[in-house]
Amino acid sequence: QKEVEQDPGPLSVPEGAIVSLNCTYSNSAFQYFMWYRQYSRKGPELLMYTYSSGNKEDGRFTAQVDKSSKYISLFIRDSQPSDSATYLCAMRGKTSGSRLTFGEGTQLTVNP
Amino acid sequence: DGGITQSPKYLFRKEGQNVTLSCEQNLNHDAMYWYRQDPGQGLRLIYYSQIVNDFQKGDIAEGYSVSREKKESFPLTVTSAQKNPTAFYLCASSDTDDQPQHFGDGTRLSIL
Repeated sequence: QKEVEQDPGPLSVPEGAIVSLNCTYSNSAFQYFMWYRQYSRKGPELLMYTYSSGNKEDGRFTAQVDKSSKYISLFIRDSQPSDSATYLCAMRGKTSGSRLTFGEGTQLTVNP
Repeated sequence: DGGITQSPKYLFRKEGQNVTLSCEQNLNHDAMYWYRQDPGQGLRLIYYSQIVNDFQKGDIAEGYSVSREKKESFPLTVTSAQKNPTAFYLCASSDTDDQPQHFGDGTRLSIL
């Protein structure tokens, strides 16, 4: 079983929709949680970086962490065609030198 | 502009040939990483380096080698011992090994 599970999609939504992307994990040592956006043939770009449980908002993006359920989410409000990309969740433990563990990514298409 | 530069963008390898992928960063980051991305598997860590002249194996180091002679450079050699080298290779760096990682735009390696 993978340490981080992420539905690969593909997920297709109309422009303006609220998008919910999710990851579950099994390692209770994970403390830092990240979301990356990856456009086709490009490297991942860091979108959100959160520590422990709670919410973090940045513009149209909200990251949510529920450590009790081992579940993290990324919400995109008022989705745009430019949001069409693959979204990767990533997480690591608290100790220095902890490796980053990635989900396999969810492919999102926002249709105009 | 500060960033991570990977070259070449596309690379072809013949049977029995070693090839070297370049990664340069001007972010003054101490830590650098190499990942391999395959469909359905997410990113897997090949090698990482926390400081100059030091590096450690990641989860899939067999058939690969690296060097870290300069802070800004972390080249990856894919040797002939790597039997399935076709993949998208991503280089990343971070200020220290417990800070978020930032990625280059990758090199796609294919077999002739």
